Amino acid sequence: GAVVSQHPSWVICKSGTSVKIECRSLDFQATTMFWYRQFPKQSLMLMATSNEGSKATYEQGVEKDKFLINHASLTLSTLTVTSAHPEDSSFYICSATSGGHTEAFFGQGTRLTVV
Amino acid sequence: GQNIDQPTEMTATEGAIVQINCTYQTSGFNGLFWYQQHAGEAPTFLSYNVLDGLEEKGRFSSFLSRSKGYSYLLLKELQMKDSASYLCAVKDSNYQLIWGAGTKLIIKP
Repeated sequence: GAVVSQHPSWVICKSGTSVKIECRSLDFQATTMFWYRQFPKQSLMLMATSNEGSKATYEQGVEKDKFLINHASLTLSTLTVTSAHPEDSSFYICSATSGGHTEAFFGQGTRLTVV
Repeated sequence: GQNIDQPTEMTATEGAIVQINCTYQTSGFNGLFWYQQHAGEAPTFLSYNVLDGLEEKGRFSSFLSRSKGYSYLLLKELQMKDSASYLCAVKDSNYQLIWGAGTKLIIKP
């Protein structure tokens, strides 16, 4: 099956700093990538959708200047959490799809802790 | 608004059968997915239904009734490793995945 690799798996950062999370599709070209956030015992919440070469579409309530998404190639998307605060601590997950697949494939997720 | 409902938690015994229900109200329908998610990990794909009826895949089966806005995931011969959260998700008219909150399944020996 298709593989999506997300890095890092976990990160601890100081409040006010920025953190970059990478999401790579290893064996297929991902025309669309999705970024989700999941708080404990809650559902996956879509943050933004990005198509290669174009600006990401953010969901209502998600600050695009705080969560910077870049999808520069068909195999790589990045999410940068800028000026992180403790309330940004969460599990961030990316997923990717292509025209040849019905389902979305997920990365391993990144556990972000802001102290 | 769009809404997907599934039970918060279920408990079953090893070796038994369990059915996890999902009801949905979405703007359009382009398929229903079931994913398994172990704690602290990303979801993994289990099944996809776009037409009414039952899809069987090994110990797991998924059923869909579009007219009722209803699906269930059936797990047979339960194993301890099946303890996880099971997420129901629907693709709406914009092909966006709308997620349920997940059902935490606890398997007891």
